[in-house]
Amino acid sequence: GAGVSQSPSNKVTEKGKDVELRCDPISGHTALYWYRQSLGQGLEFLIYFQGNSAPDKSGLPSDRFSAERTGGSVSTLTIQRTQQEDSAVYLCASSFGGGLNTEAFFGQGTRLTVV
Amino acid sequence: DQQVKQNSPSLSVQEGRISILNCDYTNSMFDYFLWYKKYPAEGPTFLISISSIKDKNEDGRFTVFLNKSAKHLSLHIVPSQPGDSAVYFCAARNTGNQFYFGTGTSLTVIP
Repeated sequence: GAGVSQSPSNKVTEKGKDVELRCDPISGHTALYWYRQSLGQGLEFLIYFQGNSAPDKSGLPSDRFSAERTGGSVSTLTIQRTQQEDSAVYLCASSFGGGLNTEAFFGQGTRLTVV
Repeated sequence: DQQVKQNSPSLSVQEGRISILNCDYTNSMFDYFLWYKKYPAEGPTFLISISSIKDKNEDGRFTVFLNKSAKHLSLHIVPSQPGDSAVYFCAARNTGNQFYFGTGTSLTVIP
């Protein structure tokens, strides 16, 4: 497709279970970002991939969170032993990267509910 | 530490009047600034941007102003329409291509 695709769109999981969220960025975009938005909050940065460089993981809230980007394209965000405070909308975005003045394009998000 | 701040969580404006959304940032190395609009249950969509070498960019009803000395950014919408009701996020990009977002301002345009 032409845009950033995220799956699943909704996920309900039991506390303590692991979840995987997937992001397919726009083809050709070298930069990929994960953010989350908790209820009533702004966009919280989680992790940033740029090409083959080491990812910027400074926003990950705990060691239960990890992310991979395989082949410079698809990314998976994994949350282990989910907690209720992990409930949020997880948003993925991609951009061309480099010095170009272009925006980041967002997917529609994955709404995660931990019960 | 929040590098991009939107101090007004909400704003209400009458239809036809001007909406002014404000944003402040702390990092003088930001080189590109953007505004995004977000409807419920959707991802943010790009609205308008401005390079750090400019102080104004206009696109139809939307104008973004940049005051680098004050590290302040604003979005003007005129005339405001009910369909403009959404959450607006300010964003700034550093030279490492990392985007930083504000916490958003919820705009309600009253018919």
